[in-house]
Amino acid sequence: DTGVSQDPRHKITKRGQNVTFRCDPISEHNRLYWYRQTLGQGPEFLTYFQNEAQLEKSRLLSDRFSAERPKGSFSTLEIQRTEQGDSAMYLCASSRPGSKGEKLFFGSGTQLSVL
Amino acid sequence: EDKVVQSPLSLVVHEGDTVTLNCSYEVTNFRSLLWYKQEKKAPTFLFMLTSSGIEKKSGRLSSILDKKELFSILNITATQTGDSAVYLCAVGAGGTSYGKLTFGQGTILTVHP
Repeated sequence: DTGVSQDPRHKITKRGQNVTFRCDPISEHNRLYWYRQTLGQGPEFLTYFQNEAQLEKSRLLSDRFSAERPKGSFSTLEIQRTEQGDSAMYLCASSRPGSKGEKLFFGSGTQLSVL
Repeated sequence: EDKVVQSPLSLVVHEGDTVTLNCSYEVTNFRSLLWYKQEKKAPTFLFMLTSSGIEKKSGRLSSILDKKELFSILNITATQTGDSAVYLCAVGAGGTSYGKLTFGQGTILTVHP
């Protein structure tokens, strides 16, 4: 496995700007997930894709957030009109469906700071 | 709403000590419980448990699940400074939530030499 890759590692932006993050999953994994983690908390689910289809979105994902996975390969997460409350680590993960459960492999995340 | 609670929230020990981390959960349509270690950025997978009473082991780490009492424990024996990390417990559910994990807050483990 080459691992889940995320870019950029860090992003500093001003309030009101748009930002976009990219995730490249492990090549044979057809499921891709986005999570958000704030300091002192565990990751919170945002959304997930099976191939190119976005199957579930958390109510945490406001209208300012959009995620895509064209062609079922890499994914992008865009945040429009960023707010200071969006500051967090955005983690991407991928998996192959398992018969009994999902073992997710995580990337190193994109740390977003909104000033 | 699915819920995962970990205890203690933080733990400080010395090398060689044995530690037990706890995870309790409330989830609809339980499928699996997973433990992850997070040192700096990426959580790394430790164990996935789906059946009660079967202990999973990997070196000095072991974990067991009790589906009746809705909890799991992670044991680390002969701790080393390299075990210092945040340990995350997560639960996976089936049905419409298939594939989504609900994480606990994590236990911060600090191992002093």
